[in-house]
Amino acid sequence: KAGVTQTPRYLIKTRGQQVTLSCSPISGHRSVSWYQQTPGQGLQFLFEYFSETQRNKGNFPGRFSGRQFSNSRSEMNVSTLELGDSALYLCASSLGRQEEIFGQGTRLTVV
Amino acid sequence: QKEVEQNSGPLSVPEGAIASLNCTYSDRGSQSFFWYRQYSGKSPELIMSIYSNGDKEDGRFTAQLNKASQYVSLLIRDSQPSDSATYLCAVIKRAAGIKLTFGGGTRVLVKP
Repeated sequence: KAGVTQTPRYLIKTRGQQVTLSCSPISGHRSVSWYQQTPGQGLQFLFEYFSETQRNKGNFPGRFSGRQFSNSRSEMNVSTLELGDSALYLCASSLGRQEEIFGQGTRLTVV
Repeated sequence: QKEVEQNSGPLSVPEGAIASLNCTYSDRGSQSFFWYRQYSGKSPELIMSIYSNGDKEDGRFTAQLNKASQYVSLLIRDSQPSDSATYLCAVIKRAAGIKLTFGGGTRVLVKP
């Protein structure tokens, strides 16, 4: 059974640019959540999508957005990148409100 | 006070010994509890979930939950060098609108 797939694995962007990250959940999983991990703040919840609707949202600025498609694949977008956005971005999928399985992550570096 | 607290470690354990990790949480409405293992440079891997008071065993891992005292612990028996990693405690709060709230993690070092 394929796991959660995130692309790309690594990205380098310049301040002010925008970036789009992609996530394909485990087959049959309809919930996709996004997290940001930094050395200073740890793992923090960004948002969750379920059946193409944002169900929950963490405490991040509006520059962070996402969407989910009918096949449950999800994308997250960060606009007007700042140096502090450099982080490991993790996508996780689940069947519902319980156990979340993480993808390998996308490491974003903003220069 | 952080919502989920863990000792950052490192917790140094001899090979073959028991590693004991603790996690406390502040929201009494928390209802689901998880332990993830994260190797350096890798993503978190789910190793245990626990939803009701008591113990839950899975191989060399035992999770313990005490909702009255608001803590959850993880025991790793017969620790191996491959268990050296950061262990993250995570909770789902009731009706909080947030999927998982993580602690800062405990770094475990198993020495041969």
